[in-house]
Amino acid sequence: EADIYQTPRYLVIGTGKKITLECSQTMGHDKMYWYQQDPGMELHLIHYSYGVNSTEKGDLSSESTVSRIRTEHFPLTLESARPSHTSQYLCASSDQDEQFFGPGTRLTVL
Amino acid sequence: QQQVKQSPQSLIVQKGGISIINCAYENTAFDYFPWYQQFPGKGPALLIAIRPDVSEKKEGRFTISFNKSAKQFSLHIMDSQPGDSATYFCAAWAGSNYQLIWGAGTKLIIKP
Repeated sequence: EADIYQTPRYLVIGTGKKITLECSQTMGHDKMYWYQQDPGMELHLIHYSYGVNSTEKGDLSSESTVSRIRTEHFPLTLESARPSHTSQYLCASSDQDEQFFGPGTRLTVL
Repeated sequence: QQQVKQSPQSLIVQKGGISIINCAYENTAFDYFPWYQQFPGKGPALLIAIRPDVSEKKEGRFTISFNKSAKQFSLHIMDSQPGDSATYFCAAWAGSNYQLIWGAGTKLIIKP
């Protein structure tokens, strides 16, 4: 089983709150990714990183930001949550071509 | 040209039957084609993958068939079991940019 962790697993917050979704991996992978996915639906890449201090936006426009200060840590921050941000957020990491996914954070913004 | 088109969107198969999911791509630079399996409440996990130098890869009940000239690949699940009920995603990878291009997913239900 892949060693990639996401916290919290579930989060319900009010509109306008700032939140940070945590993602950590212990595999020493250089590449990390954040996806947004409505349950059972298509995965949309929102951010990715090729290594420390490297971050890029993905195909899906997102109001979130990410940072990569340490290899193992890739947090995602929403400065002001809105109901449209309600979704599941999946973090993944890879060494070569296989991506290993965390269990996801299910976010609900009221 | 970056898209991967997956069909069907949903599939119901009787236990013991063969489940077949298809994907098509346009970008000939893709050189790695994985299938991921996702159960409700979990992240996707790699099921099986193929590179374009072979036409078929089999792992247990799961087989990928790859047609390079048609730019298509498919997943076959033999002797489908209720535990195979999940969402399946095909994807394609061009190693130069380290990003997977994902299909839209197929929700598979195996009826007992």
